[in-house]
Amino acid sequence: GAGVSQSPRYKVAKRGQDVALRCDPISGHVSLFWYQQALGQGPEFLTYFQNEAQLDKSGLPSDRFFAERPEGSVSTLKIQRTQQEDSAVYLCASSLGGLSPQHFGDGTRLSIL
Amino acid sequence: AQKITQTQPGMFVQEKEAVTLDCTYDTSDPSYGLFWYKQPSSGEMIFLIYQGSYDQQNATEGRYSLNFQKARKSANLVISASQLGDSAMYFCAITAQGAQKLVFGQGTRLTINP
Repeated sequence: GAGVSQSPRYKVAKRGQDVALRCDPISGHVSLFWYQQALGQGPEFLTYFQNEAQLDKSGLPSDRFFAERPEGSVSTLKIQRTQQEDSAVYLCASSLGGLSPQHFGDGTRLSIL
Repeated sequence: AQKITQTQPGMFVQEKEAVTLDCTYDTSDPSYGLFWYKQPSSGEMIFLIYQGSYDQQNATEGRYSLNFQKARKSANLVISASQLGDSAMYFCAITAQGAQKLVFGQGTRLTINP
């Protein structure tokens, strides 16, 4: 009965480094979403999976951002050659699909120095 | 495309009073869902309440109710008998049947005063 689990909770990286953020969704949830939340703003959509298929990646800001969900469960968001503007909270959410509510993890706060 | 507008950056309310947080939306999709989330200072995003576009009655969940006026494209959140623990950011969001993703408003910071 666990909720969405994200790790790490905090990540500090130097500009130019690669980072990987993990999301473990609620068991049985077929839909998985990644959002980026800048300070004082609402979350903004990055990408969406239905099972292992990435059906929408229209929100990824550049080709430095890459997400995968190879077995339809755990997902990883990877950011290559990080830049200062990548500093944000990255939220993962999962749902049963359709219009059912999305349930969020606690997020990963990424700081790029 | 969907859009959410929350016009109240901040609200201050006395404990035990009711509070209404405003949300208007725009969408061309006939089937959509409206959601409210609470985000305390600790950062987690907590689902509060959902309203479907075809639902005839306003949604209620405990102290939360959603005042859904489809013709006005508004989906205001009403919190009755506010508590100190209600102090948080509140986000209104919309999703359409085909799009799946949530589109959020800018949020309203609610502060409950003792």
